[in-house]
Amino acid sequence: AQKVTQAQTEISVVEKEDVTLDCVYETRDTTYYLFWYKQPPSGELVFLIRRNSFDEQNEISGRYSWNFQKSTSSFNFTITASQVVDSAVYFCALDGTSGSRLTFGEGTQLTVNP
Amino acid sequence: EPEVTQTPSHQVTQMGQEVILRCVPISNHLYFYWYRQILGQKVEFLVSFYNNEISEKSEIFDDQFSVERPDGSNFTLKIRSTKLEDSAMYFCASARGGQKDTQYFGPGTRLTVL
Repeated sequence: AQKVTQAQTEISVVEKEDVTLDCVYETRDTTYYLFWYKQPPSGELVFLIRRNSFDEQNEISGRYSWNFQKSTSSFNFTITASQVVDSAVYFCALDGTSGSRLTFGEGTQLTVNP
Repeated sequence: EPEVTQTPSHQVTQMGQEVILRCVPISNHLYFYWYRQILGQKVEFLVSFYNNEISEKSEIFDDQFSVERPDGSNFTLKIRSTKLEDSAMYFCASARGGQKDTQYFGPGTRLTVL
């Protein structure tokens, strides 16, 4: 069985602060893929990143960075110099080799205040 | 940039009625999915569809649900006899190829069952 845990239900920061969203996953698969999606107040799900289990290199894209640590089964997401437009619910998701479904975490509601 | 579209954006129906939710996946994508999100909760997998048949379905996807690709562009989810607990946001997603490819989501259809 697969499971994704996002322990932080809500995070509130002030603009320009850095913020890290935690994601811990469980899977028996040796090959799997991890994703982050953003759900702004308008409700759509916006793809942010996809990583496979063999690629532990951290990734940076503008103000976003991701830290994948297989040893702790974590795939954390950091936003540097947060902006009000970053306010959204962020979901971490897992896709194992057994089946084609995405298993989502509960999501973290990020609020960035001006 | 190509995107997944869904209609209607909001559907209100009476309990016991049939509803059809429509999706147009990205044109060169081969894998199609439905997920649902009950208000304030996480996104849950319903069904995946490839080569004109269901690849995988969750325990939520019982006999009242069905999916169809009636032509080369549309992908539909039918709920035969809606219940109050079917009220949720329903997301369609598509992926280009390979089970582990990135799934791109549509904007969702909010279904309200009265």
